[in-house]
Amino acid sequence: DQQVKQNSPSLSVQEGRISILNCDYTNSMFDYFLWYKKYPAEGPTFLISISSIKDKNEDGRFTVFLNKSAKHLSLHIVPSQPGDSAVYFCAASARSGSYQLTFGKGTKLSVIP
Amino acid sequence: NAGVTQTPKFRILKIGQSMTLQCTQDMNHNYMYWYRQDPGMGLKLIYYSVGAGITDKGEVPNGYNVSRSTTEDFPLRLELAAPSQTSVYFCASSSSTGRNYGYTFGSGTRLTVV
Repeated sequence: DQQVKQNSPSLSVQEGRISILNCDYTNSMFDYFLWYKKYPAEGPTFLISISSIKDKNEDGRFTVFLNKSAKHLSLHIVPSQPGDSAVYFCAASARSGSYQLTFGKGTKLSVIP
Repeated sequence: NAGVTQTPKFRILKIGQSMTLQCTQDMNHNYMYWYRQDPGMGLKLIYYSVGAGITDKGEVPNGYNVSRSTTEDFPLRLELAAPSQTSVYFCASSSSTGRNYGYTFGSGTRLTVV
């Protein structure tokens, strides 16, 4: 029962172009969404988050879009850089209970110079 | 500025052995978590703690135990190791629920049970 789904295991993008990573969720109680970036042999690092009261949040080259009716969010990276090559995890938190994060399986992004 | 420190980084255990994965944070965070990541999978929550003396089960707690005697430390104990516990283990912490600023993760412990 996967509540957070990242259906693309991998994505390749040319340097300078836009990277779009997608995430779908099934639990309507989720009201906070986060993206993490993970390099090999390191722990995940927090990238950007969005509350369900918003539909967009920007931080530099990174923008997260939330479509609540479709239960879908996406992370846009513009322009993509080789250093962005990593695994990106989508995570969600519910407004009830202990607010634990539920993670997707991740998407491996490769930015080709 | 150490953040979250996990030891050891690698370990090979034999079936039936036990061990403790250490986790310590120096950010005075109240919330701490243990996750495991299996190949090609997302992170799954094992146990978490909202403060010293308080722990609770996550999604996959079987075969593990935790304690939280201080704010800084949150060790994870494996009793009677099994091959199904072969995984990468991540400890994390957050100042509150971590919903808007996220968690700070350690660099992980790669455990192999043979």
